[in-house]
Parts: sequence; C-alpha cells; structure tokens
Amino acid sequence: GAGVSQSPSNKVTEKGKDVELRCDPISGHTALYWYRQSLGQGLEFLIYFQGNSAPDKSGLPSDRFSAERTGGSVSTLTIQRTQQEDSAVYLCASSLGGGSIEAFFGQGTRLTVV
Amino acid sequence: TQLLEQSPQFLSIQEGENLTVYCNSSSVFSSLQWYRQEPGEGPVLLVTVVTGGEVKKLKRLTFQFGDARKDSSLHITAAQPGDTGLYLCAGTPGTYKYIFGTGTRLKVLA
Repeated sequence: GAGVSQSPSNKVTEKGKDVELRCDPISGHTALYWYRQSLGQGLEFLIYFQGNSAPDKSGLPSDRFSAERTGGSVSTLTIQRTQQEDSAVYLCASSLGGGSIEAFFGQGTRLTVV
Repeated sequence: TQLLEQSPQFLSIQEGENLTVYCNSSSVFSSLQWYRQEPGEGPVLLVTVVTGGEVKKLKRLTFQFGDARKDSSLHITAAQPGDTGLYLCAGTPGTYKYIFGTGTRLKVLA
C-alpha cells in the first residue's frame, strides 16, 4: 500500500480480555517495528521483524505480549489478559530493510483498557 | 541503556519567534532522524542526518548533527501555528533499532 496501515484506529476493551492489533506495512518493506506511546510521550520499542523473523523482541513488556508476521507482510500484535497499564497508542513502522535508516509510521491504534 | 534526552520538554511561543530544540545522548549514533507528530497521527519523518557536523535545511527548519554524532538540534525560524506538534528525535545506534527521544511539545500561538 501507499503507507503503513493500522487497524483498528481505536479499541476499547475490558480488563482481562485479549486484543489483536494489525499492521499492514508499505509494500516491499522487509523491516517492521512495533512501538508503544503513552500520554503523548516518546516511543517505547517493543519488537522488530526482518521478514517473518523477530531477531529483537527485547521490548515486549511481559509474556502477555506477542507478535507475529506472516508472508513478510502483515503483522499482528496480541495482548492477552489486558491490564489498565496496557492503555496506550500502539504504533507500527516499516522500512526497506534492517539497514535502512528511514522508518515510516502508521497512524497508530489507541488502546483503552477499562 | 541508550537514552536520548530532548530539551525543552514544552515550548509555547508567539508566531514569528525563533526556537531551538535539542537532542542529547552519551551514545554515538550512526544516524539520527527528526519526526513531527500531530494528535491522533503517527510520527512523520522530517529529516535524516548521518554525518557528524552535517547541517540540513527544510524550508524554515534547520537540523544539525553534532560532530561526535551524539547530539542534534532543530532550529525553527519565524515559527508559524502550523509548526505546532510533538517533535521527536530518534537515533539508530546500529543497523536497525530506533531509540526515540523524550519529545518536545511545541505550541505556536497566532
């Protein structure tokens, strides 16, 4: 696609439920990133994909968080048993490759856990 | 842990004024990016600098990468209300990971 697309734009869920967030990167971009942003602050790295592999998962905050990428394209970030502290904007970005220095972001998914 | 500290955190100025935002670290970065983010949107890339001492200009915005590639600055000349937003610097210490700064929230009053 022309840009990075994320869905849904907004998600309100009850504490304890599982949620899935989707990211569709720019066509041809092999690198994909997930970040989390709380209260309009800086971005917190979660995970990096190169193709379908995730060589760096170091930012995932707990084992309730997981992510996968299939076909070297679409990625889903899954949060199990959501907690209120998971409320944030989840941003996805893609770049041409791991060595490319320019990443392009989607509009984000605002997750609210009530 | 590599950190990028931005200053100031908040800035409210009148239209027409000049301003500078700083991005500092004790770590060396192979490249550094500046992004602007508006409410409800993802960050939008403004510029990438890769060479120590490099200066890039984008209309009224001037970006500089420090000689030692540990810091950067963003200078805006004659700020306009359309410049309002959250400015983020991001450094790449290696080949793929982007470390984001703490952010500077700019408001330009008409």
